[in-house]
Amino acid sequence: AQSVAQPEDQVNVAEGNPLTVKCTYSVSGNPYLFWYVQYPNRGLQFLLKYITGDNLVKGSYGFEAEFNKSQTSFHLKKPSALVSDSALYFCAVRMNSGGYQKVTFGTGTKLQVIP
Amino acid sequence: DSGVTQTPKHLITATGQRVTLRCSPRSGDLSVYWYQQSLDQGLQFLIQYYNGEERAKGNILERFSAQQFPDLHSELNLSSLELGDSALYFCASSVGQLSYEQYFGPGTRLTVT
Repeated sequence: AQSVAQPEDQVNVAEGNPLTVKCTYSVSGNPYLFWYVQYPNRGLQFLLKYITGDNLVKGSYGFEAEFNKSQTSFHLKKPSALVSDSALYFCAVRMNSGGYQKVTFGTGTKLQVIP
Repeated sequence: DSGVTQTPKHLITATGQRVTLRCSPRSGDLSVYWYQQSLDQGLQFLIQYYNGEERAKGNILERFSAQQFPDLHSELNLSSLELGDSALYFCASSVGQLSYEQYFGPGTRLTVT
């Protein structure tokens, strides 16, 4: 069974500092990995995805994520945090099986950027 | 704005009742997904439809059902409601049945009293 774990419920970072939101996954086969962001009282917004290719994936709003197969991780990063980045971040993994797809989301990590 | 619309925004109902949530996907998207987000269960995938046919099932209860109509809008029916069904229900859409990106609607907040 596939699963994804976000070990931190909350991450606090000072504005201007680099941020990392952690995600590890467990799937059989090659994973399709995603990051979504949810602002208060809003739906999820797609940030970035890893399907294949370069392990460093660049996404929206200056975010990037690094796929590490040996550590089964897909951590979200940003070189310089903004207060407006404060939100709930979800990691997700998708597997295709017989023409069907199943998406599993992590429990979410609340990012708090402190001015 | 993702282009996915959901109605109603808020819904308050009593235990034992039945409600219908509606979703209109982005123009051109054929797949619709339903998710439930609650404090204790997190974000749970419920079900996916593609061009009117069920394509994948997640943690959807037997009391819940969904369908996608010829115009591609979708409805999620929740019956015999319980207090624990109170949650935010999201709809998302994508172009294909195996598309990489899903676009989420603003959600319907259901409160069961």
